[in-house]
Amino acid sequence: GENVEQHPSTLSVQEGDSAVIKCTYSDSASNYFPWYKQELGKRPQLIIDIRSNVGEKKDQRIAVTLNKTAKHFSLHITETQPEDSAVYFCAATSREGGNQFYFGTGTSLTVIP
Amino acid sequence: DSGVTQTPKHLITATGQRVTLRCSPRSGDLSVYWYQQSLDQGLQFLIQYYNGEERAKGNILERFSAQQFPDLHSELNLSSLELGDSALYFCASSVGVRADNQETQYFGPGTRLLVL
Repeated sequence: GENVEQHPSTLSVQEGDSAVIKCTYSDSASNYFPWYKQELGKRPQLIIDIRSNVGEKKDQRIAVTLNKTAKHFSLHITETQPEDSAVYFCAATSREGGNQFYFGTGTSLTVIP
Repeated sequence: DSGVTQTPKHLITATGQRVTLRCSPRSGDLSVYWYQQSLDQGLQFLIQYYNGEERAKGNILERFSAQQFPDLHSELNLSSLELGDSALYFCASSVGVRADNQETQYFGPGTRLLVL
């Protein structure tokens, strides 16, 4: 089955700096990659997703890039703010893989004011 | 508020017992997903139902079972509980338009289960 690895596990940045979280996957059939944000004590929320027919997607300060050849995708947050502090999870899925969702182990991001 | 509701919020029980977690999806959503979140294993996909039928299955133990009812609410049954089953259980729902599930999932607030 699919194996998703996520790095780093913790990340601290100064407010205004950029943050980058990277995930790798093993199954070349995976074709949908959502990113979730989970604030402390709250539910996960989808923040951005990308499909394998697209190399990059951007939504305001958040962007995701996908390299199908290398089987990795990354979340980029620019001009970080304290409210960006949360745990971020990447995930991968494919129809060939039975539509299961495989999650990374999460990255705890702290934005220092 | 995502529109997905889960009950109960907290559940404390003993090993060997059986519990039922309930989820009501957003109005109009046909797909329901169940996840387990524990400190040492992160977020794990358990199972998904679409309009009453099982559509995808993850690492769900044989002691666990789920179903989706005609009114689209779903229940997750956990039996012969072990200490290691203590976790936060999330339900999520999505519209269900895409057969490949590649659509936004909206998570409920979760049920925190503690097995003593």
